[in-house]
Amino acid sequence: GAVVSQHPSWVICKSGTSVKIECRSLDFQATTMFWYRQFPKQSLMLMATSNEGSKATYEQGVEKDKFLINHASLTLSTLTVTSAHPEDSSFYICSAARPGGGDEQFFGPGTRLTVL
Amino acid sequence: AQSVTQPDIHITVSEGASLELRCNYSYGATPYLFWYVQSPGQGLQLLLKYFSGDTLVQGIKGFEAEFKRSQSSFNLRKPSVHWSDAAEYFCAVRVIGNEKLTFGTGTRLTIIP
Repeated sequence: GAVVSQHPSWVICKSGTSVKIECRSLDFQATTMFWYRQFPKQSLMLMATSNEGSKATYEQGVEKDKFLINHASLTLSTLTVTSAHPEDSSFYICSAARPGGGDEQFFGPGTRLTVL
Repeated sequence: AQSVTQPDIHITVSEGASLELRCNYSYGATPYLFWYVQSPGQGLQLLLKYFSGDTLVQGIKGFEAEFKRSQSSFNLRKPSVHWSDAAEYFCAVRVIGNEKLTFGTGTRLTIIP
C-alpha cells in the first residue's frame, strides 16, 4: 500500500510552453502533498506544500505564478510549469502524506522535465 | 541556521563489506530523523526513522541507524552490503510540529564485486 504515481515520467517541451505534471496517491487519500525539485547530483528542495481544497504554500524563492499547484482531490495534485524555460529543466518529485501514516511521506518516482 | 549535512558525496564499497553513511544535523532541538534511498526510476523509499526512544533504529533491507545526541548525528549502517544496495541515500530531518522535510545533499553508494 501507499503508492504514489507521477505522470509523465519524462517530458520534453519547447521554451515558452506550459507543462502539467500529475501526482496521484493510488491507494490512499492524501490530505497533504508536497512538490520537490531535484537538480542533478543534488538534494531535493521543497517547492511547495499543497492541501486538498486550499491554496498551496510556497517556499521562499519559488515563483507561485510560474509553478502552479492544484490539489483538486484527495488523490490528485498537479504542478504546472508555465512558460517554461531551459532553466526550469529539472527532476520534479511529489510526495503524499497519509492521514495516520505515522508522519511518513510517500514519494512518487519523479518527472524529468527538459525544456529546449 | 538549520541544516543537514552528509559529508560523503560518493562512497565505494566491496560487496559483502560493511557500510556506514554519515549524517549530521544542526537544529535547535532534536528533530525527527529519516533515511531514504533513491534508486533510478523509483521513488524515494523510507529505510528507517527516529522519533524518540531507543537510539538504535532498525530499518528495512538490513539497515540500521544510531542517533547520537551529543554528536548531532544519525549515521546509517549495514553489516554486509549487496550489489542491489547501490543507490543514492538521503538523510532528512523534520522539525517536530512541522510537516516539511529537509534533505541532506545525498551520498551515492557504488558497490564493487
